[in-house]
Amino acid sequence: GEDVEQSLFLSVREGDSSVINCTYTDSSSTYLYWYKQEPGAGLQLLTYIFSNMDMKQDQRLTVLLNKKDKHLSLRIADTQTGDSAIYFCAESHSGGYQKVTFGTGTKLQVIP
Amino acid sequence: EAGVVQSPRYKIIEKKQPVAFWCNPISGHNTLYWYRQNLGQGPELLIRYENEEAVDDSQLPKDRFSAERLKGVDSTLKIQPAELGDSAVYLCASSLGTGGADTQYFGPGTRLTVL
Repeated sequence: GEDVEQSLFLSVREGDSSVINCTYTDSSSTYLYWYKQEPGAGLQLLTYIFSNMDMKQDQRLTVLLNKKDKHLSLRIADTQTGDSAIYFCAESHSGGYQKVTFGTGTKLQVIP
Repeated sequence: EAGVVQSPRYKIIEKKQPVAFWCNPISGHNTLYWYRQNLGQGPELLIRYENEEAVDDSQLPKDRFSAERLKGVDSTLKIQPAELGDSAVYLCASSLGTGGADTQYFGPGTRLTVL
C-alpha cells in the first residue's frame, strides 16, 4: 500500500529558508501535495505538483520532486512566524478516483 | 463564500456512549470525505461520498461507525458505542469531484475525547 513519510520536527529562525522533506513509496503517484495545518484548524492546501514535473514555484514556496528517488520537498523562503504550523505531504495516484494518502506531518517552529 | 462547516467543535463523552458529528460542505461540492486524525498523525480516510452515494467506505469500522448523506449535501458521522481508542479529531472535507488534482477543502474538525 501507499506510505508517505516525513520527519517530525523542524526549527528555523525567522527570515531563513525552511526545507521540509517527504518520501513516498507509490511509484504510480500522480499528484503530490503539500498541506498546512494550523492549531485547531483543518488542513489547507498550499500547493501540488503533477508527477511529470520536477519543480513548481509559487511566491515563497518551491516544490521539488525527484521521482526516481520518490522524494518531495517544500522550500519556504524568508520564513515568517506565521508559517509555524504542521505541514503534511500527501500523494494520490490515478486509477479510479484519486484517494489521497497523507504523511504524518512535520511540525515547523519558526523562532523570532 | 463559507467554508466547510463542522459541529460540534469539541465533544467529551464516556465510553459506550453514542456520538454524532455533522458536516456541511462547500456549496456545489459533490464529493464529501470524513477523515480521522489521531494525535501526531496525518488524516486517514474513513468514507467518501459522491453526492449521496458512499463510494469508498473500506476504512470505516462498520461495527460501530455509520455515516449518511441523505440529500447529497450535508452529512452525519455516528459512533455507537464509542471506545477509548476513538479519541481523535474527525475532519470533514469536500471537493468539486472533477478528477485530476481535485482540491479538498477541510473543515476545522471535531475533537472527540472518550473517557
